[in-house]
Amino acid sequence: EVHLVESGGGLVQPGGSLRLSCAASGFTFTSYWMTWVRQAPGKGLEWVASIKEDGSEKYYLDSVKGRFTISRDNAKNSLDLQMNSLRAEDTAVYFCVKGGGSPSPWGQGALVTVSS
Amino acid sequence: EIVLTQSPATLSLSPGERATLSCRASQSVSSYLAWYQQKPGQAPRLLIYDASNRATGTPARFSGSGSGTDFTLTISSLAPEDFAVYYCQQRTSWPRTFGQGTKLEIK
Repeated sequence: EVHLVESGGGLVQPGGSLRLSCAASGFTFTSYWMTWVRQAPGKGLEWVASIKEDGSEKYYLDSVKGRFTISRDNAKNSLDLQMNSLRAEDTAVYFCVKGGGSPSPWGQGALVTVSS
Repeated sequence: EIVLTQSPATLSLSPGERATLSCRASQSVSSYLAWYQQKPGQAPRLLIYDASNRATGTPARFSGSGSGTDFTLTISSLAPEDFAVYYCQQRTSWPRTFGQGTKLEIK
């Protein structure tokens, strides 16, 4: 069974940084794209970033380009999202998701709150 | 960026009724459209991929249709557990995009 467990969420001030991690198990991690999707409180889903199996291709939502970096460690079956220069509008639950096309399944999410 | 527009925003129906949800794309996505279901406090779950293929575990009462720019998710006879928010999502191009969601509520 696939398990995706996010960690690293929390409260951070505007302009600050935070690093999310996702521990993956139950599937061959090196065979799949991985994706981060976020959901602001009471709002819809917003795709954030995806990374290819070997890390050679990465794609980002325009509003996070230059601020967020997606990466993966295939030896540790882990996915990361480094978030810098955080803004209030980045406040959301961030989901780690297996796949890059119609990704599934999803982790339970990590809450990131950007506030002073 | 491909914009996906879902309608209606809210759909009020009773258990046993048929539900029809729509998703329209700003440009062709071929058949590369998925549907997700999200219940309160839960992560989304993939229901349909590539317009009409049920994901593992999706009940047969759920069906998807369409291609190009117009897509439909149909629930043939609503079960109590089907009341939730539904999102469409395209995988034709980057950035991947989601529709704004349709809330299916009990009438």
